Amino acid sequence: KAGVTQTPRYLIKTRGQQVTLSCSPISGHRSVSWYQQTPGQGLQFLFEYFSETQRNKGNFPGRFSGRQFSNSRSEMNVSTLELGDSALYLCASSLGQGNTEAFFGQGTRLTVV
Amino acid sequence: AQSVAQPEDQVNVAEGNPLTVKCTYSVSGNPYLFWYVQYPNRGLQFLLKYITGDNLVKGSYGFEAEFNKSQTSFHLKKPSALVSDSALYFCAVRDPRGTPLVFGKGTRLSVIA
Repeated sequence: KAGVTQTPRYLIKTRGQQVTLSCSPISGHRSVSWYQQTPGQGLQFLFEYFSETQRNKGNFPGRFSGRQFSNSRSEMNVSTLELGDSALYLCASSLGQGNTEAFFGQGTRLTVV
Repeated sequence: AQSVAQPEDQVNVAEGNPLTVKCTYSVSGNPYLFWYVQYPNRGLQFLLKYITGDNLVKGSYGFEAEFNKSQTSFHLKKPSALVSDSALYFCAVRDPRGTPLVFGKGTRLSVIA
């Protein structure tokens, strides 16, 4: 069974640009969540999608957005990049019930210069 | 809102000794609790979870965790540490009402040969 796939693995962008990250969940999983991981802040929740609907949203500015497609694949977009957006962005998929564990991808390492 | 505290940034233990990584949580109602491990440049791997029932939960790679409702704790334990257990460990909690999975800041475990 294939795991969660995130693309690209590494990305370097310039301040002010925008970026789109992609996540393909485990087959059959309908929930996808995104997290930002930085050394100082740990894992910060961005948003969660379930069956194409945003179910939860974290405390991030509107520059961060996401969506989920009918095949459960998800994308997140960050516009007007800032240096502080440099982080490891992790995607996790699950069946969607609260008592089920989430499975994480290897992440996309974004560096903003 | 739910929260997780991992009071130790770093835990050092000699190989073969028992290890404990501490976690306390705050959530209204009965919590869903999880432990994850992260190796360098990788995503998070699920270790174990507590949903209901027996307070002692067994998971992957010989790890176990004990749920203590009165102390709101969910400490991760292993009877005999291996050098390969050296990694970053995250405790996470979810409110059964459907809130997102919230992570602690992580504890770096170093097992010394």
